[in-house]
Amino acid sequence: GENVEQHPSTLSVQEGDSAVIKCTYSDSASNYFPWYKQELGKRPQLIIDIRSNVGEKKDQRIAVTLNKTAKHFSLHITETQPEDSAVYFCAASSNDYKLSFGAGTTVTVRA
Amino acid sequence: GAGVSQSPRYKVAKRGQDVALRCDPISGHVSLFWYQQALGQGPEFLTYFQNEAQLDKSGLPSDRFFAERPEGSVSTLKIQRTQQEDSAVYLCASSLVPHPSTDTQYFGPGTRLTVL
Repeated sequence: GENVEQHPSTLSVQEGDSAVIKCTYSDSASNYFPWYKQELGKRPQLIIDIRSNVGEKKDQRIAVTLNKTAKHFSLHITETQPEDSAVYFCAASSNDYKLSFGAGTTVTVRA
Repeated sequence: GAGVSQSPRYKVAKRGQDVALRCDPISGHVSLFWYQQALGQGPEFLTYFQNEAQLDKSGLPSDRFFAERPEGSVSTLKIQRTQQEDSAVYLCASSLVPHPSTDTQYFGPGTRLTVL
């Protein structure tokens, strides 16, 4: 089955700086890569996703890049704000429904 | 509109008890998923429904776990003879379109199960 690895497990950044989270996947057939944000005690919420026919996607301060050859994808958050503090999960899907998640990255934005 | 809802939000069970966790998906969503999230980990897939049909139950940890969605809307995850290792947050998600199309999965708030 699909195996997704996520790094780093924790990330502390100064407000206004950028944050980058990286994920690798094992199944070359994977074609859908969403990113979820989960605040403490809350539900995971989709923040951005990318499909295998696209190399990069941007939505305001958030961007995701995908390198299918290397089987890795990354989340970039620019101009971080305190409300960006949360746990971020990457995921991959190779069969069009089952999501395989990384272990998560706890992001702390220091004021 | 209303999102995915789950009940109860918290459940404490004594080891050996049976529990039932409920999921109300977004109205009209064809696909429904159950995930298990251990503390400090990402969600892990348990099972998938397309309408009332359970198309994939490969992630269910043991035969003590059973899920159903008899009318293609509300779903129940039942765990029989609970064990301490069953303690986790159980997340339900739904999406609008069926397999093989890929659509955003919207998650519920989860049920935190603690087995004593």
